[in-house]
Amino acid sequence: EVQLQESGPGLVKPSQSLSLTCSVTGYSITSNYWGWIRKFPGNKMEWMGYISYSGSTSYNPSLKSRISITRDTSKNQFFLQLNSVTTEDTATYYCARSGYFDYWGQGVMVTVSS
Amino acid sequence: DVVLTQTPVSLSVTLGDQASISCRSSQSLEYSDGYTYLEWYLQKPGQSPQLLIYEVSNRFSGVPDRFIGSGSGTDFTLKISRVEPEDLGVYYCFQATHDPNTFGAGTKLELK
Repeated sequence: EVQLQESGPGLVKPSQSLSLTCSVTGYSITSNYWGWIRKFPGNKMEWMGYISYSGSTSYNPSLKSRISITRDTSKNQFFLQLNSVTTEDTATYYCARSGYFDYWGQGVMVTVSS
Repeated sequence: DVVLTQTPVSLSVTLGDQASISCRSSQSLEYSDGYTYLEWYLQKPGQSPQLLIYEVSNRFSGVPDRFIGSGSGTDFTLKISRVEPEDLGVYYCFQATHDPNTFGAGTKLELK
C-alpha cells in the first residue's frame, strides 16, 4: 500500500525557511509525480508544485523563486523548501502522489510566527 | 491563472437527498491531447483530502457509484445521489489542464 508521511517543524519564524520532508513507502518516487499542496486557514487550497519521476520540477508561479522541491531517491523521500516565509504561509501542508492526487499524507500544520 | 468557481459555497441536505455541486472554469479545461483534467476531492473533517473523480467522470477506486461527475469545456457538476453521513465535508474541484493547476474554493456539504 502506498503511504506518504510529512514531517517538519510546526513553527517557523518570519523571513526564515520552511523545510518539510515527505517519506513515501510502498511505491518508488522514481515513478509518477509527487506534489505539495497546502490548505490555508479557512478552506482555500493551493497547488504548490511537483517533482517528477526523473527529478524535473514544476512550481506555482505565485511562489516565484521562494520554492524548491528536491528528492533523495535512496531514502524514497522528497522535500519542500519555502524561503522567506511570512504569516501568509501559515497553512497545513500536504504531500501527495500526483498525476491525480490519489494518495495523500496526513498533513502537517505549519505556523509562521515570531 | 484559471479560476474555478464552485457553487454553492455550502449545501445543507437531508440524508438520502441528492446533492449537486457546480464548478465553472474561466477557460476550457480540454487539453490538447483530448482529455479534460478536472478532478473532484472530498475533505472529511479531520482527514486529508481524498480523490473522488478524475478526468471529469471517472470514479476513483472504491468510490461509490452514487458519486457522478459530468460536464465538458468550462462547466462541470458533481452529483451525489442519496447522501450518506460519510459524504459530509468540503468538496473541491481541481484542474490540472493549465499551469498553474488550481482548486475551486470548496463547497461544504452539511446536514440540514
